[in-house]
Amino acid sequence: DAKTTQPPSMDCAEGRAANLPCNHSTISGNEYVYWYRQIHSQGPQYIIHGLKNNETNEMASLIITEDRKSSTLILPHATLRDTAVYYCIVGYTGNQFYFGTGTSLTVIP
Amino acid sequence: DAGVTQSPTHLIKTRGQQVTLRCSPKSGHDTVSWYQQALGQGPQFIFQYYEEEERQRGNFPDRFSGHQFPNYSSELNVNALLLGDSALYLCASSSIREQYFGPGTRLTVT
Repeated sequence: DAKTTQPPSMDCAEGRAANLPCNHSTISGNEYVYWYRQIHSQGPQYIIHGLKNNETNEMASLIITEDRKSSTLILPHATLRDTAVYYCIVGYTGNQFYFGTGTSLTVIP
Repeated sequence: DAGVTQSPTHLIKTRGQQVTLRCSPKSGHDTVSWYQQALGQGPQFIFQYYEEEERQRGNFPDRFSGHQFPNYSSELNVNALLLGDSALYLCASSSIREQYFGPGTRLTVT
């Protein structure tokens, strides 16, 4: 079973920030938080990952709460090409990743 | 850097046949995992290979087997295909902290 809980769907206006929440209350001390997205019928695309600290890269920012029980992925300026299913996963690469059903993000023109 | 590559892109097989899917990992990655993704579902873990050994296995029958070669590339074999094996098969390669997925192979069993 997936170790994370995400809302099934969200909408975001083009050009606005998209904030995608994820709950992972059972995360253990050595598990990372990973975010991937999947556009229809393509392989999941890596976005970002983090352990404790907030992380930022050219695609997104990841905010992890101090107790590590939840996180938020932020796409700062959403475009139509960001429409996809976003998966939040906790774990580490030496172990299997449990995918839930993810959040289907629709960016609206 | 080519990233993770998979072949073939699409495949159509008949029930009862056998199929082999191939994966080349991203440069510098030594671990390969395989996932099955049915339509409308999230990917499901099949197994993971490291140092040419199966390190972990998900809840899949023995009809699903794999191999990892000394150059870290990997194959997924499925025997006695069932209609329910129709899915997108994803390969992921990883190092100690990062994991990247390939584009997948779409298998259709008729």
